[in-house]
Amino acid sequence: GIQVEQSPPDLILQEGANSTLRCNFSDSVNNLQWFHQNPWGQLINLFYIPSGTKQNGRLSATTVATERYSLLYISSSQTTDSGVYFCAVDSNYQLIWGAGTKLIIKP
Amino acid sequence: EADIYQTPRYLVIGTGKKITLECSQTMGHDKMYWYQQDPGMELHLIHYSYGVNSTEKGDLSSESTVSRIRTEHFPLTLESARPSHTSQYLCASRKTGTYEQYFGPGTRLTVT
Repeated sequence: GIQVEQSPPDLILQEGANSTLRCNFSDSVNNLQWFHQNPWGQLINLFYIPSGTKQNGRLSATTVATERYSLLYISSSQTTDSGVYFCAVDSNYQLIWGAGTKLIIKP
Repeated sequence: EADIYQTPRYLVIGTGKKITLECSQTMGHDKMYWYQQDPGMELHLIHYSYGVNSTEKGDLSSESTVSRIRTEHFPLTLESARPSHTSQYLCASRKTGTYEQYFGPGTRLTVT
């Protein structure tokens, strides 16, 4: 089956810093999503991005489907950005999840 | 903001008890999912449904059961809770023809 790998597993940054999170997947996929799970456990859809680039405020994502990776950029980090970031790819209408990147933003 | 609800949000229960975790969505989505997740770890699919009267088991072996009698409602039942069931349970839904999944707030279950 499809394998999804995320890096780095953990990231600690000062407020205001920029970061790049990576998601590699082992096979061609129809779609890829990025999620943020806040410290209270709520999962929020950030991007649905099977290919190309999207931006939403301080967050942007790029997926290069031919090279089987996606990147999530966070600029000018805030403490509210802390949490776990997951990428997930679709396989037969089920999501295959990466293990996540745990991001801690220190004030 | 997605309209998907889970109750209870937190539950502490003794071993051997029967429990039902509730999940409801008001978006008319036909596909619904239950995931199990240990804190900060990846999600594991335990059950899914493609519509009314449709239920399937996911990749993670689970001693739970589900039902889908109404489009908006997808409860998960544990007949006899065990400490190994201690985890967070997340419900999600999506609309056929779209890829975005929307998640409820989760139920944190502790079995003592």
